[in-house]
Amino acid sequence: ETGVTQSPTHLIKTRGQQVTLRCSSQSGHNTVSWYQQALGQGPQFIFQYYREEENGRGNFPPRFSGLQFPNYSSELNVNALELDDSALYLCASSAGTGAFYEQYFGPGTRLTVT
Amino acid sequence: DQQVKQNSPSLSVQEGRISILNCDYTNSMFDYFLWYKKYPAEGPTFLISISSIKDKNEDGRFTVFLNKSAKHLSLHIVPSQPGDSAVYFCAASKGGSQGNLIFGKGTKLSVKP
Repeated sequence: ETGVTQSPTHLIKTRGQQVTLRCSSQSGHNTVSWYQQALGQGPQFIFQYYREEENGRGNFPPRFSGLQFPNYSSELNVNALELDDSALYLCASSAGTGAFYEQYFGPGTRLTVT
Repeated sequence: DQQVKQNSPSLSVQEGRISILNCDYTNSMFDYFLWYKKYPAEGPTFLISISSIKDKNEDGRFTVFLNKSAKHLSLHIVPSQPGDSAVYFCAASKGGSQGNLIFGKGTKLSVKP
């Protein structure tokens, strides 16, 4: 059974650019949640996707958007990058949308915006 | 405004002794609480959870206690092992049906041999 994978591992972008981060969910999971973890902080919820539809969103601007594909893998897109977007981006897959379903996290993508 | 607070950034414990990690929350709507462990260069790993209808949940060496009136929970690790050295995050959810977890800043636990 393959766990949650994320790509790329590291990424350096310039302010104003756009970035796409990818996440492959664990086999049998239909839900993907994305989190942003800034240095010294805990993960902060960005949004969740369930069966290709957004199912809840945290306090992030619209330039953070996402997609979920029929195989339940997911993308996080960030437009007009700002310096404060530098963070570790984590995705987590689960077998359902509720907190009762264990969320399995990937290793994250480290994004640096210069 | 932080809704989940872990006020101790770090904790050092001797191997074999008890580790107690604390977490406070402010939102009385939270009804499901979780602890995650994170090693460097890895994603957080689920450790143990507790519903607000309980005040204690045990899983092997790990026990979580919930004091709703004080809006406080704690994770006890007994006995502590060097492999437990990691960052521990407390997380809470408003309504178990919602998957968005609200995390604290974490506590770095060091277990010394």
